[in-house]
Amino acid sequence: SQQGEEDPQALSIQEGENATMNCSYKTSINNLQWYRQNSGRGLVHLILIRSNEREKHSGRLRVTLDTSKKSSSLLITASRAADTASYFCAIHTGANSKLTFGKGITLSVRP
Amino acid sequence: ETGVTQTPRHLVMGMTNKKSLKCEQHLGHNAMYWYKQSAKKPLELMFVYNFKEQTENNSVPSRFSPECPNSSHLFLHLHTLQPEDSALYLCASSMGLAFGGATNEKLFFGSGTQLSVL
Repeated sequence: SQQGEEDPQALSIQEGENATMNCSYKTSINNLQWYRQNSGRGLVHLILIRSNEREKHSGRLRVTLDTSKKSSSLLITASRAADTASYFCAIHTGANSKLTFGKGITLSVRP
Repeated sequence: ETGVTQTPRHLVMGMTNKKSLKCEQHLGHNAMYWYKQSAKKPLELMFVYNFKEQTENNSVPSRFSPECPNSSHLFLHLHTLQPEDSALYLCASSMGLAFGGATNEKLFFGSGTQLSVL
């Protein structure tokens, strides 16, 4: 399978806590991307990390990439109720613009 | 707003109907995509167009017929669908491939068309 696989499938935390979501994959990648989807809406790009990068930050988001373990993690710090959504990792492989998505993680942040 | 607009937002059709989904992007992108999203399954890439040329057809049944008249518009024509085709159909766009390929592109998605086939 060339898709990323997210873990856990669902996560429920209290507002203010940190949320950690993981993604594993099996092939060589050009980059790995994380997207967010609110219920009934399209996906929104959050962050992209290239295969030669190990960590990136964007606001309250921190993404790490370990190509030796073929895994990535997305950390959302100081979560808010508005962070409630589904989160997807997508891996970019090959020489074309082909992104392969996982099944997603459902994050619920309780007020 | 992401700059990608899909219509209609919801569609209910019978198995003998013919309908079309429309996608328009206002981002000046050159690549457009159709994805299918079903519950509990990964997003499935259906078609990719780059500079109006179809570059990917992911073994999609012929009852789904894409059309890309220009880099800003993408259609998905539907006919003789099955109930298992009920899903959220998402359109996306990206900068697109130039010579040599583009390996760090991100996608911009529309809000999708929720399709129900009765």
